[in-house]
Amino acid sequence: AQSVTQPDIHITVSEGASLELRCNYSYGATPYLFWYVQSPGQGLQLLLKYFSGDTLVQGIKGFEAEFKRSQSSFNLRKPSVHWSDAAEYFCAVGETSGTYKYIFGTGTRLKVLA
Amino acid sequence: KAGVTQTPRYLIKTRGQQVTLSCSPISGHRSVSWYQQTPGQGLQFLFEYFSETQRNKGNFPGRFSGRQFSNSRSEMNVSTLELGDSALYLCASSLTGIGNTIYFGEGSWLTVV
Repeated sequence: AQSVTQPDIHITVSEGASLELRCNYSYGATPYLFWYVQSPGQGLQLLLKYFSGDTLVQGIKGFEAEFKRSQSSFNLRKPSVHWSDAAEYFCAVGETSGTYKYIFGTGTRLKVLA
Repeated sequence: KAGVTQTPRYLIKTRGQQVTLSCSPISGHRSVSWYQQTPGQGLQFLFEYFSETQRNKGNFPGRFSGRQFSNSRSEMNVSTLELGDSALYLCASSLTGIGNTIYFGEGSWLTVV
């Protein structure tokens, strides 16, 4: 069955430090890949997406992600974290087989130390 | 361009009651999907509608139902509420579904007491 794994439930970084959030997926083909961010009490905001083409994608707020087919990974990175980046981050897979649903990882909660 | 609008934002219901949540998609979007978010289960897919037709349904009991209107607005209904139905219910819309980005509303917080 298709699945998305975010192995880190919580991550704490200092402001200004670099960040990498991990995401691995299990899917028979190359899926559509997304990263969303959720602030407390809010809905999910799209950070970036990968459908095809260049495997390094740029998103909003200075985030980027790299699709690695051989590792079935789509890790999210940011070179310098800001205190406002503290939130929960979700990786998602959009199935390409016409089932019209997205599968989400369990999320990684990011804490930023001043 | 207005985003996905969900109403009500917060509500409290009693066990055994039923609830209806509403979602207005982004203008021009014809696909609407619903997700349940709980601390223990994360985001779980409920169902997806396109042009008033349900195209896919998640693994939820029949107490959970939905519909979509000709203007693409959608409602979901939960009957005979249980304590475990307390969750954030998120609606998302996209142009046509697969192959398009889905955009989320801010959700409806349901508390069942």
